Formats: sequence, C-alpha cells, structure tokens
Amino acid sequence: GAVVSQHPSWVICKSGTSVKIECRSLDFQATTMFWYRQFPKQSLMLMATSNEGSKATYEQGVEKDKFLINHASLTLSTLTVTSAHPEDSSFYICSARPGTGERIPLHFGNGTRLTVT
Amino acid sequence: QKEVEQNSGPLSVPEGAIASLNCTYSDRGSQSFFWYRQYSGKSPELIMFIYSNGDKEDGRFTAQLNKASQYVSLLIRDSQPSDSATYLCAVNRSGGGNKLTFGTGTQLKVEL
Repeated sequence: GAVVSQHPSWVICKSGTSVKIECRSLDFQATTMFWYRQFPKQSLMLMATSNEGSKATYEQGVEKDKFLINHASLTLSTLTVTSAHPEDSSFYICSARPGTGERIPLHFGNGTRLTVT
Repeated sequence: QKEVEQNSGPLSVPEGAIASLNCTYSDRGSQSFFWYRQYSGKSPELIMFIYSNGDKEDGRFTAQLNKASQYVSLLIRDSQPSDSATYLCAVNRSGGGNKLTFGTGTQLKVEL
C-alpha cells in the first residue's frame, strides 16, 4: 500500500519552455502532497506543500510564479516548472502520506529528472 | 548549525558486519524520526521510523532514539552489498505542517 506514482520519469526540454510533472497517490487519498528537489550530491530540499482545493505553500526562497502547483483532486498534484532554465535542472520528487498526523511516514514517487538545455 | 546533521561518509564496512549510521538534529520539539534509503539516481524509500526513546528493531535494522541528546541512529546488522546506498535521516519539524527536514545523507559501502 501507499504507492505514489510520478510522471514523467525524466524529461529534457529547451530553455524557456515549461514542463509539467504529475504526482498521483494510487491507493490512498492525500489532502497534502510535498514537492522536493534534489541537486547532485545534495539532500532533499522541500520546495512546497501542495494542498487539495487551496493554494500551495512555498518554502522560503522558492518562487511560486516559477513553480506552479495545482492540487485539484485528492489523488493528483501537478508541478509546472515555467520558463525553465539550465539551473532548474534537478531531480524533482513528490511525496505524500496515507493519512494525517506526523507519525505517518512520507512515501515518495520515483522522481522526475529534469534536464534543461 | 544544520537542522539535521549526518556524516556524509563514505562509511565502508565488510559484508556481514554491523553498519552504524548516526544523525543529530537541532529542533528539540521534533517528535518523529525517519530513516530512508536512497540508491543512486532513485527516490528515497522508507526503512524505519521511530517516535519513542530507545530502540526499535525491524529485521536487520534497529533504530535508536535519544531525544535528550537529540540523536538518532540506524544499525544495520549482517550488512549486505545490496545495502550499499545513501541513508537519509529525516526529522519532522515541530510547529505543525507535518514537514520533514532531511539530512545530507551518509553513503554506505558494503564491501565483499
């Protein structure tokens, strides 16, 4: 149980274009999903919290207009990287909990490796 | 001071030995602690979680928590080459929001 699916697994795009990444909870409903980014040899950094039916909350230093998050249903959150540039190349990973409460572990999607040329 | 600190390693242990991975955290209000394993190029997968002081065992893995010392560790018994990965310590932030803060991870190498 507690499967999180992420698509696509990898994407290569040209500078200036936008890329959409989907995150789905397959066997549970998630009112909240979390988007992380990981640069090579670094740890996961929380970008934003996606809230079903309301606006996402962004961590300090993350541009909300650049990283658009939509959480339209209890099983789907999307992250759109707008006007991507080479410095946005990274490993983007979504996660969710099969329930509320801090004692419930986060489960991660397989990640999306974004390369901007 | 980093919120969650881990020795980056690499930590090399021979096959069959015990690997000991350590983590300290700065948020004294944190109550939930998690260990994730991450293979190169892959996303993290949950290994163990612990909430109470003391030890928690699950198969070859034992998590240890000492809230007074703000220290959490992971022991891997009978280490196997397939255990070679980066182990991430994650701590739930106090103050609500159910957000996890991750350490930079310790790279473990189990050698034949």
